[in-house]
Amino acid sequence: DTGVSQDPRHKITKRGQNVTFRCDPISEHNRLYWYRQTLGQGPEFLTYFQNEAQLEKSRLLSDRFSAERPKGSFSTLEIQRTEQGDSAMYLCASSLGDLNTFGSGTRLTVV
Amino acid sequence: QKEVEQNSGPLSVPEGAIASLNCTYSDRGSQSFFWYRQYSGKSPELIMFIYSNGDKEDGRFTAQLNKASQYVSLLIRDSQPSDSATYLCAVPTYTGRRALTFGSGTRLQVQP
Repeated sequence: DTGVSQDPRHKITKRGQNVTFRCDPISEHNRLYWYRQTLGQGPEFLTYFQNEAQLEKSRLLSDRFSAERPKGSFSTLEIQRTEQGDSAMYLCASSLGDLNTFGSGTRLTVV
Repeated sequence: QKEVEQNSGPLSVPEGAIASLNCTYSDRGSQSFFWYRQYSGKSPELIMFIYSNGDKEDGRFTAQLNKASQYVSLLIRDSQPSDSATYLCAVPTYTGRRALTFGSGTRLQVQP
């Protein structure tokens, strides 16, 4: 499978717990993005990596969120001290140019 | 004003008709425009992109761009029930970032 893979597909967590999501991009893509999508809205940009460098973070990304892309391959997105407002679909996308290819997403539910 | 605006719908069309989906954007410097289709519970899937003013056709899909009016549309000919989905318009807003700013999407319902 040469698409973008995300794990897990679903995550239910209690408020205050930490969660970590993983994204494996298409192997030849050097750009990787994280987006968040809530019901009835389009995806919102969170952060962007070119190779291993995190080049931009959205104002939406609070201090509780951190992302890494060691060695420019897979990426992780960690949310610390989760809040109910963090419940959303977290989408990873990768690209060479402008054409973002999305993974299946991780649906997070904070109870 | 939102950076990318779409009518949320739902837009309901009968099977076989032409569905017309519209999008306006605020950044006059935008150079490329994307249409994604998203089925309920699934992730967005790229279906069309357009860089130049005018029309671009791919099968039953036609993207239309008018940079002067800051308007991009998607036409779906011979609509099928399987086209029922949310259609997202997206624009790379900042040069060099390459991330996309999305509209909130238009929900299309094709009635059999």
